[in-house]
Amino acid sequence: GAVVSQHPSWVICKSGTSVKIECRSLDFQATTMFWYRQFPKQSLMLMATSNEGSKATYEQGVEKDKFLINHASLTLSTLTVTSAHPEDSSFYICSASDTTYEQYFGPGTRLTVT
Amino acid sequence: AQSVTQPDIHITVSEGASLELRCNYSYGATPYLFWYVQSPGQGLQLLLKYFSGDTLVQGIKGFEAEFKRSQSSFNLRKPSVHWSDAAEYFCAVGPYSGAGSYQLTFGKGTKLSVIP
Repeated sequence: GAVVSQHPSWVICKSGTSVKIECRSLDFQATTMFWYRQFPKQSLMLMATSNEGSKATYEQGVEKDKFLINHASLTLSTLTVTSAHPEDSSFYICSASDTTYEQYFGPGTRLTVT
Repeated sequence: AQSVTQPDIHITVSEGASLELRCNYSYGATPYLFWYVQSPGQGLQLLLKYFSGDTLVQGIKGFEAEFKRSQSSFNLRKPSVHWSDAAEYFCAVGPYSGAGSYQLTFGKGTKLSVIP
């Protein structure tokens, strides 16, 4: 149980375009979802926290207009990277939390902006 | 601000040998501490967590960790490593966010390689 999926697992996009990443909790309802960014050989950095039906709370330094997060249902959250640039290339990981408060992590999405 | 330090970037051990991965944290209150493992193509999996009580915590896959408040450490141990343990290991600290979960701060990770 407690499976979180991400789609796509790998995406390449051109500079200036937008890309959407989906995060789904497959067998539980996620009251809270988190989005992280991981650089090579670096730690996971929390980008934002979202609760279903509410606006996401962004960490300091994260541009909310660039990284749009939508948590429309208890099983789906999306991260849209708008007007992507090469410096946005990274590994994006989501996690979902149920009523036990434990976070279950997705496998991640590798974004490459050319 | 809270922080986590994993001093060892890469550790190599022989299969069957014992393992200890180090983790030091900085946090102003009683920390909630976690160890996760990340394998290629898979999401982070929780190995164990410490909230309170017994300072020696047992986790999955034969791992254990000991919370030492005086040393601000939460080191992960395993008595006998298996080749399948090769992965990246992350230590994390988190306060309860009040919004239904814990906001986690991760260390940079320790990559474990296992020699057959």
